[in-house]
Amino acid sequence: GAVVSQHPSWVICKSGTSVKIECRSLDFQATTMFWYRQFPKQSLMLMATSNEGSKATYEQGVEKDKFLINHASLTLSTLTVTSAHPEDSSFYICSARVGGALETQYFGPGTRLLVL
Amino acid sequence: GQNIDQPTEMTATEGAIVQINCTYQTSGFNGLFWYQQHAGEAPTFLSYNVLDGLEEKGRFSSFLSRSKGYSYLLLKELQMKDSASYLCAVMDSNYQLIWGAGTKLIIKP
Repeated sequence: GAVVSQHPSWVICKSGTSVKIECRSLDFQATTMFWYRQFPKQSLMLMATSNEGSKATYEQGVEKDKFLINHASLTLSTLTVTSAHPEDSSFYICSARVGGALETQYFGPGTRLLVL
Repeated sequence: GQNIDQPTEMTATEGAIVQINCTYQTSGFNGLFWYQQHAGEAPTFLSYNVLDGLEEKGRFSSFLSRSKGYSYLLLKELQMKDSASYLCAVMDSNYQLIWGAGTKLIIKP
């Protein structure tokens, strides 16, 4: 099956620093990648959708200047949390889709961010 | 508005059968997904239904009724490792996935 990796799996950082999370599709080319955030005991919240070579589409309420998304290639997307604050502490999960809109999304293992 | 409803928590016994229901109201329908998520891990894909009926895949089966806006995930011969959250998600007319809050399934020996 399709494999998606994320790095790092854990991040602990000080308030005010920036954190970059990488999402890679290992054995396929992902036309579209998605970034989600999940708080404890809550459902997945879509933050943004990114297509290779174009700007990401952010969901309502997600600050695009705070959560920078770059989808430079068909196998790599990055999410940078700029000037992180404790309220940004969450589980960030990327997913990648093989092919068209009706194709299944495959999830990366997630990155747990703790901002002190 | 768009809405996905599923029970918050269910408990079942090892070796038994459990059915997790999901009802939805969305703007358009392009399929319904079930994902399994173990604590602290990302979701893993279980099933996809776009036509009415039952899809069987080993111990897991998924059913869909589009006219009723209803689906269920059926887990047979429950094992302790099946303890997880089960997420129902519907793809709407804009091909966006609308996620339910998940059902936490607790398996007891």
